[in-house]
Amino acid sequence: QKEVEQNSGPLSVPEGAIASLNCTYSDRGSQSFFWYRQYSGKSPELIMFIYSNGDKEDGRFTAQLNKASQYVSLLIRDSQPSDSATYLCAVNGASSYKLIFGSGTRLLVRP
Amino acid sequence: DTGVSQNPRHKITKRGQNVTFRCDPISEHNRLYWYRQTLGQGPEFLTYFQNEAQLEKSRLLSDRFSAERPKGSFSTLEIQRTEQGDSAMYLCASSGPRQEPTNEKLFFGSGTQLSVL
Repeated sequence: QKEVEQNSGPLSVPEGAIASLNCTYSDRGSQSFFWYRQYSGKSPELIMFIYSNGDKEDGRFTAQLNKASQYVSLLIRDSQPSDSATYLCAVNGASSYKLIFGSGTRLLVRP
Repeated sequence: DTGVSQNPRHKITKRGQNVTFRCDPISEHNRLYWYRQTLGQGPEFLTYFQNEAQLEKSRLLSDRFSAERPKGSFSTLEIQRTEQGDSAMYLCASSGPRQEPTNEKLFFGSGTQLSVL
């Protein structure tokens, strides 16, 4: 079992719709959870982080965390073609400052 | 502050040659990380430093890979006797600003794309 799992996609949504991206992780000791966006040929860029169960909103982005189910999600409201990218879920390793990344979900927003 | 800087941006080498990459982290960050990424995959952890100490190294990392951060500032990653399977994007990241040393948010450089022929 991979430590951080994501559906590779592509997830295709029409412009203006809500895109929902999901991630599961295996280490119950993980405390910090991150979402990175990566455009083709570019390096990952941090867009959201969450440490506590529940929802955290920042503009059009909402991160959701459920530690009991070991599940993290990212919602993107009013999706724009410029949101088309690969979204990487990252989780901290227990007793470590390293981040473990999933393989990413490719999002396509259709105009 | 100009962010994380990596050099070179691209490196083409022949199988069996040694290569070295450099990373300059965000100056106030105390942790520096190396990751490797291949097409369609997420970044794979290689190693990280806290100041000059190498605190963790991936158990999957071959002995041909070595990293240093001699003065707790810039870091180098050397790959000896390169193989075609080493072809990848090598990403450097830093975290842990002085005023918030436990902050785990990673900020990545632009990466070094290695092609081994």
